[in-house]
Amino acid sequence: DGGITQSPKYLFRKEGQNVTLSCEQNLNHDAMYWYRQDPGQGLRLIYYSQIVNDFQKGDIAEGYSVSREKKESFPLTVTSAQKNPTAFYLCASSIWGRESTDTQYFGPGTRLTVL
Amino acid sequence: GIQVEQSPPDLILQEGANSTLRCNFSDSVNNLQWFHQNPWGQLINLFYIPSGTKQNGRLSATTVATERYSLLYISSSQTTDSGVYFCAVKRRGSTLGRLYFGRGTQLTVWP
Repeated sequence: DGGITQSPKYLFRKEGQNVTLSCEQNLNHDAMYWYRQDPGQGLRLIYYSQIVNDFQKGDIAEGYSVSREKKESFPLTVTSAQKNPTAFYLCASSIWGRESTDTQYFGPGTRLTVL
Repeated sequence: GIQVEQSPPDLILQEGANSTLRCNFSDSVNNLQWFHQNPWGQLINLFYIPSGTKQNGRLSATTVATERYSLLYISSSQTTDSGVYFCAVKRRGSTLGRLYFGRGTQLTVWP
């Protein structure tokens, strides 16, 4: 089956710890994205990557880091510098990224709770 | 960036009712998408509609790009339509591939 997988579905972390969220896609898409969603809020862009070994900061990149070593993988690390990391994290991908006709497809999300 | 405003923020309906959701945006766009987020958090693409009108079953959407708004129509609503509906746009002329999302409309359909 083609699609986007995120793991784990639920994640609990102690304050001061770094944690890495996984995002994998087998759609052969060039572009991948990470969003954060807080209760009652829209989606805010953390980082995005339009090609392997390249990525750009979104609107709320502080306290997060990413890598894009393989086309199908775009892991997100939530560092201890992120002041309020408890949220729902969504990963998405799209075919090209730059084209106007591009459509984004989303994974099922990871709920991160900091204890 | 580009501002995306959705209205109403909340909508409560009885099964069988019709509804209209609105999305206003502050600049010219060349990409507009409507998404549905189900109660478990999964976002599903409903429409890619930078202009014109499209229909898919009980759902239809219209975008008037020159007036910078889009409408999502839901007819004969069902409880499974519940969730959050998001509008997202890509600014015309931008070399970056990112979408800008509105804050969504929370729809609750009662049996």
